[in-house]
Amino acid sequence: DIQMTQSPSSLSASVGDRVTITCQASQDISNYLNWYQQKPGKAPKLLIYDASNLETGVPSRFSGSGSGTDFTFTISSLQPEDIATYYCQQYDNLPQVTFGQGTRLEIK
Amino acid sequence: EVQLVESGGGLVQPGGSLRLSCAASGFTVSSNYMSWVRQAPGKGLEWVSVIYSGGSTYYADSVKGRFTISRDNSKNTLYLQMNSLRAEDTAVYYCARSDYGGTFDPWGQGTLVTVSS
Repeated sequence: DIQMTQSPSSLSASVGDRVTITCQASQDISNYLNWYQQKPGKAPKLLIYDASNLETGVPSRFSGSGSGTDFTFTISSLQPEDIATYYCQQYDNLPQVTFGQGTRLEIK
Repeated sequence: EVQLVESGGGLVQPGGSLRLSCAASGFTVSSNYMSWVRQAPGKGLEWVSVIYSGGSTYYADSVKGRFTISRDNSKNTLYLQMNSLRAEDTAVYYCARSDYGGTFDPWGQGTLVTVSS
């Protein structure tokens, strides 16, 4: 199985801050990586697909980059409604997709 | 509007069975890849199973031989039959449309399964 390692596991930042989360795959997954946002008590929501493509309707302050084994998710200016847990997910080894352990984002 | 609504969760004893349903609207289940993903309390996301549009099915090793994914085309509904349930199967179960099995969008609201005596 392909292991996905996210860091940090939790993060506290102020409104307006630039926030960065990293995700590392245990092997080369090309750009077969998605990012999801999960707010408390809600289902996950797709934000970024194919490593860097913004899902329709998602604010442009969210972005993703990377390929191979190292990926980055960025919020350019943190807003209060961005408080959530963020997950990366690989789909290079279909059907066995795997998720990172999640990064919990809080407001400082 | 594309929507998924799960049902069927609840409390079940170890060794018991439960069938989850996922009713779809706004698209055709049989024309899409459909998946189940679960989340244990306070934990991360774990892929459980997928059914391809052609009917092929796949399972995570943790549920293989115990869970069965299926669909009813006339009802536009996805199912997950869960047998021989264990305490470690306790989780919120989400259904999701999955683009070729890889990208999950949208997701249902989830249904909680608790396995406990």
